[in-house]
Amino acid sequence: DAGVIQSPRHEVTEMGQEVTLRCKPISGHDYLFWYRQTMMRGLELLIYFNNNVPIDDSGMPEDRFSAKMPNASFSTLKIQPSEPRDSAVYFCASSLRHNSPLHFGNGTRLTVT
Amino acid sequence: QQQVKQSPQSLIVQKGGISIINCAYENTAFDYFPWYQQFPGKGPALLIAIRPDVSEKKEGRFTISFNKSAKQFSLHIMDSQPGDSATYFCAASIPGAGNMLTFGGGTRLMVKP
Repeated sequence: DAGVIQSPRHEVTEMGQEVTLRCKPISGHDYLFWYRQTMMRGLELLIYFNNNVPIDDSGMPEDRFSAKMPNASFSTLKIQPSEPRDSAVYFCASSLRHNSPLHFGNGTRLTVT
Repeated sequence: QQQVKQSPQSLIVQKGGISIINCAYENTAFDYFPWYQQFPGKGPALLIAIRPDVSEKKEGRFTISFNKSAKQFSLHIMDSQPGDSATYFCAASIPGAGNMLTFGGGTRLMVKP
């Protein structure tokens, strides 16, 4: 199993630009989570999906952030427009069931200048 | 509001020593307490987890001790090895919330050879 695959690994963009982060969960996993990691705030849950449906997006910081899961094997996290304070490592994670072990991808390091 | 407080922020241990990382929580509804290990450039990986119906869980050199009355839990790494050098996160979630985890701030462990 290839694990959770995220792309790109690194993204550098200018303030105001649109950024799209991508995630392929482990095949067969019904739950997909987006987490953000910063030095100041640590690891924070942004949103999670169950069977491609967004269940809880209370962690999404602002309307500039949106996430979609068009099918069981693909999810995106979009930031439009991006701001320097969005600079962080964004992790996608998936689990077989809601209380099964959580498997993280290697993250996308986003830098907004 | 930081619901899970982790200490210390950093820890240096000699090879063969015992590493101890502590976490305290506020929400008495938490019923799932995992520990994650993160190496540089990688996503966190589940190390060991405990539920409050037991006071201790051991897996190899890793042990979780849980004190429900004190609302504290800790990770002990016995016979610490240089390969254990990583950042460790405690986390917690409420019933039914599964992998909607609230993470501690992390502890950077360095094991000196």
